[in-house]
Amino acid sequence: ELKVEQNPLFLSMQEGKNYTIYCNYSTTSDRLYWYRQDPGKSLESLFVLLSNGAVKQEGRLMASLDTKARLSTLHITAAVHDLSATYFCAVTRGGSQGNLIFGKGTKLSVKP
Amino acid sequence: SAVISQKPSRDICQRGTSLTIQCQVDSQVTMMFWYRQQPGQSLTLIATANQGSEATYESGFVIDKFPISRPNLTFSTLTVSNMSPEDSSIYLCSVVGHKRTSRYNEQFFGPGTRLTVL
Repeated sequence: ELKVEQNPLFLSMQEGKNYTIYCNYSTTSDRLYWYRQDPGKSLESLFVLLSNGAVKQEGRLMASLDTKARLSTLHITAAVHDLSATYFCAVTRGGSQGNLIFGKGTKLSVKP
Repeated sequence: SAVISQKPSRDICQRGTSLTIQCQVDSQVTMMFWYRQQPGQSLTLIATANQGSEATYESGFVIDKFPISRPNLTFSTLTVSNMSPEDSSIYLCSVVGHKRTSRYNEQFFGPGTRLTVL
């Protein structure tokens, strides 16, 4: 059974600090997503990672994928308050696009 | 990227009643997906809606409780039947598409329908 584990589940950071969110998955998958969700809102796609060693960056966020270790990381650089949200990683199940297994999410709070 | 709209955006319903949620996409898509997000939880796939055939349900979800329609390639409905407070969740419609700036498909989500059952 495909499982996705994120840690930490809660993260309180000060502005200007760096931190990493980890996402482990239990079986092979052909793509990994990172989403952001603001309270009361839907999911915003941040990154889709397809291959081993893939690295993508957007602003203060950088995501990477190690398919051999079944691990993805979301690195936050010099956090700002606007990054406060819940971040989910998700992987496709059995190569079936659309059928995603989600992690439990990491609730990030960035304090001044 | 696909633009997805849902109706209603939120509703408060009485136990035992049913609610139909609509999902409209601005482009034709082969498959549409319905997810549930229970309060404070992650997302779980309910079913895949294919045009012209029966929806495919995930383990733990049945057609009698969550009937789905898919009359064309841009529209789908999900009905939550005989509701109980445990059905209080956000229900999200999702499709696979690609951003104009990307050559890869990725999955997009609608704004969600926030359902509260009393």
